Amino acid sequence: DVKVTQSSRYLVKRTGEKVFLECVQDMDHENMFWYRQDPGLGLRLIYFSYDVKMKEKGDIPEGYSVSREKKERFSLILESASTNQTSMYLCASTPGTSGGLIYEQYFGPGTRLTVT
Amino acid sequence: RKEVEQDPGPFNVPEGATVAFNCTYSNSASQSFFWYRQDCRKEPKLLMSVYSSGNEDGRFTAQLNRASQYISLLIRDSKLSDSATYLCVVVDSNYQLIWGAGTKLIIKP
Repeated sequence: DVKVTQSSRYLVKRTGEKVFLECVQDMDHENMFWYRQDPGLGLRLIYFSYDVKMKEKGDIPEGYSVSREKKERFSLILESASTNQTSMYLCASTPGTSGGLIYEQYFGPGTRLTVT
Repeated sequence: RKEVEQDPGPFNVPEGATVAFNCTYSNSASQSFFWYRQDCRKEPKLLMSVYSSGNEDGRFTAQLNRASQYISLLIRDSKLSDSATYLCVVVDSNYQLIWGAGTKLIIKP
C-alpha cells in the first residue's frame, strides 16, 4: 500500500517563527510536491522536486523554501511564518521523470497550519 | 478568468439519483485531464482519468469536450458514500497541473 506521511496533522505557530513541515514517501518516487489548499481556491503549487537536491519553484514560492536531502523526504520551510500562511499544506509524490507530472499524485494526509 | 473553473456547489442530491457536473478550462493546448475526490478533512485521491473517448468506471462516467473546453463527471445511482468534493485537474502543455477549486456533492438519504 502506497504511503505518504506528513509530520503533523495540526500545527499552531506564532508570527515570525520558523516552521518545518516534513513529508516522507515510501514508494521510491522521484517527484515530490508541496501544495497549499485554501477555501475557494484550487490546490496551489509551492515547490516541487524531481530529484534529490533538486527543486523548482511552483506558482507561489514566496515566503517558503524546501529541502530534499534524501529521495524519500521533502521538507517545506516557512522562514518567518505570517498569518497569511495559515492554510492546509499537502505533500504529494509521483513516479517518473520529466513526464511524471501527469501520473497519479499520491497525497499525504495534510497539515493544517495556523499562524497566530 | 480562472484557468480551471468548477461550480463550488454544494449539489444536494437524493440517494439513487444521477448527478453531473462540469469543469471548464481556458487553455486549449491542455493535454491531460483527471478527476480527484476529496473527502472532508482528507487528502485528494485519484478518481479517474478523462480520455478523449470518454471513460466509464462502474457508476462513474467522465467525458471530455475539447471543442467547448470542458470535462464532465456523471455519477449514476448515487450513494451516501459519494458525498465528497470533486476536484478536476488539467495538465497544460508545459506539464503543469492546474487544479480546480472543487465541487461539493452531498447525497441525502
